[in-house]
Amino acid sequence: GDSVTQMEGPVTLSEEAFLTINCTYTATGYPSLFWYVQYPGEGLQLLLKATKADDKGSNKGFEATYRKETTSFHLEKGSVQVSDSAVYFCALRNAGGTSYGKLTFGQGTILTVHP
Amino acid sequence: DAMVIQNPRYQVTQFGKPVTLSCSQTLNHNVMYWYQQKSSQAPKLLFHYYDKDFNNEADTPDNFQSRRPNTSFCFLDIRSPGLGDAAMYLCATSRGRGGSQPQHFGDGTRLSIL
Repeated sequence: GDSVTQMEGPVTLSEEAFLTINCTYTATGYPSLFWYVQYPGEGLQLLLKATKADDKGSNKGFEATYRKETTSFHLEKGSVQVSDSAVYFCALRNAGGTSYGKLTFGQGTILTVHP
Repeated sequence: DAMVIQNPRYQVTQFGKPVTLSCSQTLNHNVMYWYQQKSSQAPKLLFHYYDKDFNNEADTPDNFQSRRPNTSFCFLDIRSPGLGDAAMYLCATSRGRGGSQPQHFGDGTRLSIL
């Protein structure tokens, strides 16, 4: 079945540091890939998405590129802020087979940014 | 302009006492989902409605039920909550089940069991 693996956390950075959170996936067919962010006590917010190979999703300074050859969708930001502290989930959605568009999540990565 | 609204944000119930969580949406999406999220874990899909068609996940306990009286509203009923059911419950919606359509989440209801 489909699966998503995120880098082990938590990640702790100083403000203005460069961020990378690794995400790799296993799926049949051609899934769409997503990054969601969850702030403390809140639901998940869609951060960015990519629907086909080589697509780059971007939002609020975050970027991720859909790499089919390496089955990866790593999240990057050039300069993090304290307000970026949250849990980040990589996810895929596959319309094919029996998955009926079910979201498959990675385990989440806790990011803490210090001033 | 909240789009997926969950009420209440915090719910406390007693062990074994039925509880209902509610979700409404202003997006007119035809698919609605219920997830359970325990601390420091990814959300776990319980079931979803595709229009009026109910789809249960194979490992969702029988204790969990859902109702969708119309497009805008969906309810999660827990018939006899146990201590292990304490969690954040997230409602989400999407326009169709196509792979490229993102799911839009509410802020969740945090359920505590006394």
